[in-house]
Amino acid sequence: AQRVTQPEKLLSVFKGAPVELKCNYSYSGSPELFWYVQYSRQRLQLLLRHISRESIKGFTADLNKGETSFHLKKPFAQEEDSAMYYCALSGSASKIIFGSGTRLSIRP
Amino acid sequence: DAMVIQNPRYQVTQFGKPVTLSCSQTLNHNVMYWYQQKSSQAPKLLFHYYDKDFNNEADTPDNFQSRRPNTSFCFLDIRSPGLGDAAMYLCATSSSGLTNEKLFFGSGTQLSVL
Repeated sequence: AQRVTQPEKLLSVFKGAPVELKCNYSYSGSPELFWYVQYSRQRLQLLLRHISRESIKGFTADLNKGETSFHLKKPFAQEEDSAMYYCALSGSASKIIFGSGTRLSIRP
Repeated sequence: DAMVIQNPRYQVTQFGKPVTLSCSQTLNHNVMYWYQQKSSQAPKLLFHYYDKDFNNEADTPDNFQSRRPNTSFCFLDIRSPGLGDAAMYLCATSSSGLTNEKLFFGSGTQLSVL
């Protein structure tokens, strides 16, 4: 069965501090992992996907198959990073499941 | 320019009164999804269409149905809404449904059941 776990409902950090949003997954095969973000009053949108190995808005995420994790990191938080972040997994075609999300709040 | 459009933004219905939520897309994507999201919970996949092929999730209640009359439009029908069906309903699309493709979301319809 596919499962995505985001253990933190809320993460609050100061501006300039490092950020790490945790995501663990359960899947027997080789999944595709994503991070989606929802800013205030905006629609859910893709932030990054592991296959692209990209850094978006200073965020990176590394897939650790041994620990079945895909944590999202940013070295220096900015106020505009405040949003709801969802980790997502796609294990089979046309089926993407989401974690319950972490609300990131950046304090000035 | 909105690419996945959901109407209405807010929908209020009565207990047991059928309701239809609509989604349209200008992306010409093959796959359209419906997710249900309750407060503080993960978006839950209800079903998806790959072109005209309907794919229901095993745990989606029979009370939920869907129609896709053409590539651009997809509807979610709730035959007899219960109080537990109050939620945000999200429509999303992807080009071909491949595992590494991103989803494009609409703004959602917030359904209230009185």
